[in-house]
Amino acid sequence: ETGVTQTPRHLVMGMTNKKSLKCEQHLGHNAMYWYKQSAKKPLELMFVYNFKEQTENNSVPSRFSPECPNSSHLFLHLHTLQPEDSALYLCASSSGGERGSSYEQYFGPGTRLTVT
Amino acid sequence: AQTVTQSQPEMSVQEAETVTLSCTYDTSESDYYLFWYKQPPSRQMILVIRQEAYKQQNATENRFSVNFQKAAKSFSLKISDSQLGDAAMYFCAYRPYNFNKFYFGSGTKLNVKP
Repeated sequence: ETGVTQTPRHLVMGMTNKKSLKCEQHLGHNAMYWYKQSAKKPLELMFVYNFKEQTENNSVPSRFSPECPNSSHLFLHLHTLQPEDSALYLCASSSGGERGSSYEQYFGPGTRLTVT
Repeated sequence: AQTVTQSQPEMSVQEAETVTLSCTYDTSESDYYLFWYKQPPSRQMILVIRQEAYKQQNATENRFSVNFQKAAKSFSLKISDSQLGDAAMYFCAYRPYNFNKFYFGSGTKLNVKP
């Protein structure tokens, strides 16, 4: 596997279910991100992890719980979601951004989540 | 606070013609990076082109080029010889130097007419 992978690609869950989204990056990056992309809305940053430490939580409801066990893996645990949480969830990774290094962000294919 | 603005929600271009997508940003930093990302329908977001703010020369990648105006805080994307495969959402993004956070514009949907 290369780049950023996400599983599952599609997920349908009821409002009382608990599920998890998984993201893995094979690029040696030190930062990982979760974004929410809803139809006709801008890309919303949810969480940022740098070297496994959470450095950004963009006022995300507690029904979304991130976990970053190491710099290569990122999870998003979901519980008691609402229908308005239906969206495409994108994972991304990046490196430090120093001169001469890679500084762009790489995205996974996303998980299309539907909450019924 | 850093913000990125894309004032054109949707644009259309005829195949083989040239189109320019606009982006402006607001920052008090002097060193940063700028990007254009492409997201085709139901497909993965990919990097189109990137620019380092300390470089005055505009970046070019094949048919894609940028017009970077640092004083005006403007970063437009020009697509030459447009192809059907260029149809996608295009996002402009900003990243402060040596800081892991990216700011995205709201996107411009580009339609390419055969």
